[in-house]
Amino acid sequence: DSGVTQTPKHLITATGQRVTLRCSPRSGDLSVYWYQQSLDQGLQFLIQYYNGEERAKGNILERFSAQQFPDLHSELNLSSLELGDSALYFCASSPSGFSSYNSPLHFGNGTRLTVT
Amino acid sequence: TQLLEQSPQFLSIQEGENLTVYCNSSSVFSSLQWYRQEPGEGPVLLVTVVTGGEVKKLKRLTFQFGDARKDSSLHITAAQPGDTGLYLCAGARNDYKLSFGAGTTVTVRA
Repeated sequence: DSGVTQTPKHLITATGQRVTLRCSPRSGDLSVYWYQQSLDQGLQFLIQYYNGEERAKGNILERFSAQQFPDLHSELNLSSLELGDSALYFCASSPSGFSSYNSPLHFGNGTRLTVT
Repeated sequence: TQLLEQSPQFLSIQEGENLTVYCNSSSVFSSLQWYRQEPGEGPVLLVTVVTGGEVKKLKRLTFQFGDARKDSSLHITAAQPGDTGLYLCAGARNDYKLSFGAGTTVTVRA
């Protein structure tokens, strides 16, 4: 058990809809990272928050947004969903703002999103 | 285009055989991490290598970081069915952002 909790585990929705994925980091970790994993793209970094502030942005679409709340949990909002958004979405946490050798990532078990 | 290229993409071997997975890049990394991901779960960190030429052993797994810190390999000796999974390498550059390879799916047949 990594200590990172993601809900829901599965989500099925229709094109054009909006969904919210939730992540609770490990106790004591200040950084939350969101990743998208699909068969053809691998694990793609979307966005990172550190102690409530956006820290780094990756390949995140404008239709997607995220935030980190004062209690450090994070939400990833996906809107105007398309078929191609179907993927596994992972949240990871780390103690510091840097994903380096002394601050590795701990991943949750992901949310499987299916857009029909 | 992936910053880190992993090969092979798929590997299927018999229990007891050895295997090597490669992770290559044209970029220099300050550190490189290896993760294993099993179906229905998130990636789990196996090891972090930091120094060029570094070799780390984790039971039957041997990890090596290239001298120039651009590549790495993972060698498994006498593979077991429990080694089955997706192996991911991830490199941290000076900007500390972590980039993942596409992964190698390893299947060990009993």
